[in-house]
Amino acid sequence: NAGVTQTPKFRILKIGQSMTLQCAQDMNHNYMYWYRQDPGMGLKLIYYSVGAGITDKGEVPNGYNVSRSTTEDFPLRLELAAPSQTSVYFCASSYSIEGLSTDTQYFGPGTRLTVL
Amino acid sequence: AQSVTQLDSHVSVSEGTPVLLRCNYSSSYSPSLFWYVQHPNKGLQLLLKYTSAATLVKGINGFEAEFKKSETSFHLTKPSAHMSDAAEYFCVVSEFGFQKLVFGTGTRLLVSP
Repeated sequence: NAGVTQTPKFRILKIGQSMTLQCAQDMNHNYMYWYRQDPGMGLKLIYYSVGAGITDKGEVPNGYNVSRSTTEDFPLRLELAAPSQTSVYFCASSYSIEGLSTDTQYFGPGTRLTVL
Repeated sequence: AQSVTQLDSHVSVSEGTPVLLRCNYSSSYSPSLFWYVQHPNKGLQLLLKYTSAATLVKGINGFEAEFKKSETSFHLTKPSAHMSDAAEYFCVVSEFGFQKLVFGTGTRLLVSP
């Protein structure tokens, strides 16, 4: 049981390049999330998904896209990388039923992205 | 809107002494409150959570937190610090029953021998 896995661990991009951050979970969780963590700040929600085929914006979605074709995978796409997207990106998952409880989120180890 | 304020960006303690990490929250509705820990270059791990049951919540590794509605606080404590407790700690709030988390800016705990 690997939990939440993320690839790559590190990446350097040039301005204007694109890339996909991969996230996978093997816990059969229905909810998945993408966060970014900037220095000295807490995590901010970029996008989340309540199940395969359903995604929604979080607090800071601009410059990112997501898709969820399977329960296990939730990739995050950066189309035109900008220096402001330099950050550490965390993927998380939970098994949740909205309205009943706020459930524990399980986090991956993160991807450190630098845009130069 | 919900928010959390972690009152100290850094806390330094000696090994074996008590730990207190302070957190105040703001929430329009019944909150769920969490403490997560992040060790260097690692993902976040749940320490404990409050979801409207007992106000004193016990977590892993000897940590506990008390929900005080009158003070809108959820401070994290541990009686005796261990070197392995050195990490970043995040206080987190969510509206009860909903999954969107709002994170504080974190408190870095330093533990000296």
